[in-house]
Amino acid sequence: AQTVTQSQPEMSVQEAETVTLSCTYDTSENNYYLFWYKQPPSRQMILVIRQEAYKQQNATENRFSVNFQKAAKSFSLKISDSQLGDTAMYFCAFGETSGSRLTFGEGTQLTVNP
Amino acid sequence: NAGVTQTPKFRILKIGQSMTLQCTQDMNHNYMYWYRQDPGMGLKLIYYSVGAGITDKGEVPNGYNVSRSTTEDFPLRLELAAPSQTSVYFCASRSQDSYEQYFGPGTRLTVT
Repeated sequence: AQTVTQSQPEMSVQEAETVTLSCTYDTSENNYYLFWYKQPPSRQMILVIRQEAYKQQNATENRFSVNFQKAAKSFSLKISDSQLGDTAMYFCAFGETSGSRLTFGEGTQLTVNP
Repeated sequence: NAGVTQTPKFRILKIGQSMTLQCTQDMNHNYMYWYRQDPGMGLKLIYYSVGAGITDKGEVPNGYNVSRSTTEDFPLRLELAAPSQTSVYFCASRSQDSYEQYFGPGTRLTVT
């Protein structure tokens, strides 16, 4: 079974600074997808960014980018120019292209301080 | 488009009562999912469906049942509610071609 590990239960960053959230996963598959979801206090799950394993280029979405290291099975999220609205729980998720399910990590609570 | 909608938003049940959590999506997605999220934790998959008439168990199916009679609807049934089922329940869906899941706003359930 796949596992997803987020080793940082909590992190904090000052507004306008950069922060990196870690995620590692375990799989024997070669084709898969990775996601970062954000869950603000409203509880809504919001997709932040996605990465296909077959793509070597790291995905970026405005201030959000990933560092995907396939051999190391690592998928970290970098948030640049942090904003107060980035305060949320962030979940890393893994999905096999051959399967139907996503496996979620336990989450990292990020607090952006003014 | 409304996306994924869930009702009710909140519910308090007494031990032993039953209820159905409703989930509807208007994106014509084949795949639908039910998760539970306990306080401070990640999401655990309860049941999922890859199309109308097809359902399968996830990690934590005990105490729950589902049905998928239409593409749009995927209700989750709790029989004989227990305090351990106090949680926030999320429904999600995705299309055949895209692996990202779209989530509903959640239902907060308390069993006392």
